[in-house]
Amino acid sequence: DTGVSQNPRHKITKRGQNVTFRCDPISEHNRLYWYRQTLGQGPEFLTYFQNEAQLEKSRLLSDRFSAERPKGSFSTLEIQRTEQGDSAMYLCASSYALSYENGGYTFGSGTRLTVV
Amino acid sequence: AQSVSQHNHHVILSEAASLELGCNYSYGGTVNLFWYVQYPGQHLQLLLKYFSGDPLVKGIKGFEAEFIKSKFSFNLRKPSVQWSDTAEYFCAVMLDTGRRALTFGSGTRLQVQP
Repeated sequence: DTGVSQNPRHKITKRGQNVTFRCDPISEHNRLYWYRQTLGQGPEFLTYFQNEAQLEKSRLLSDRFSAERPKGSFSTLEIQRTEQGDSAMYLCASSYALSYENGGYTFGSGTRLTVV
Repeated sequence: AQSVSQHNHHVILSEAASLELGCNYSYGGTVNLFWYVQYPGQHLQLLLKYFSGDPLVKGIKGFEAEFIKSKFSFNLRKPSVQWSDTAEYFCAVMLDTGRRALTFGSGTRLQVQP
């Protein structure tokens, strides 16, 4: 078990460009979550999947953001037409739906996005 | 909407000192409560959690937390901190509504001086 893997670790992009991040959850986990963390703040919920179904989206997830989990395994988070306010750490986490009480989530190390 | 407040933003302690980090939440219904820790350069890790039962919960590395429902609080404690406890600590709430999103506080940076 290698934990939750996120790629890339760092991404610097110019304003207006599109970026895509990938998250590989723990293989037996069927729930996958995306959070965003800005400096000095705790993580904020963006969206989550159970298997391939996207069950909830936060109001923070504007139309420029889209997340997919096509086969119920890895997930991608795409940001279109990036803005400087999108600069943040994007965190992925996974859990097994019926046993979240036992351990909560497992978080990845995050992708740090810098929009210049 | 629910919110979580951590009033101590930065705490500096000497080794062997006792620690208490405050966490208050605003939600009138049933909640599940968590403390996560983030060591420098590492990912968030679960320290302890409360779902039901004994309001005093024990976690890893000698940490414990007490849920006081009347005060909407879930303070984290450790009787004697070590230099290796230097990290950022986040309190989080999950509503007992089937929704599985966590609401985090803004975190407390703990610095333990040798």
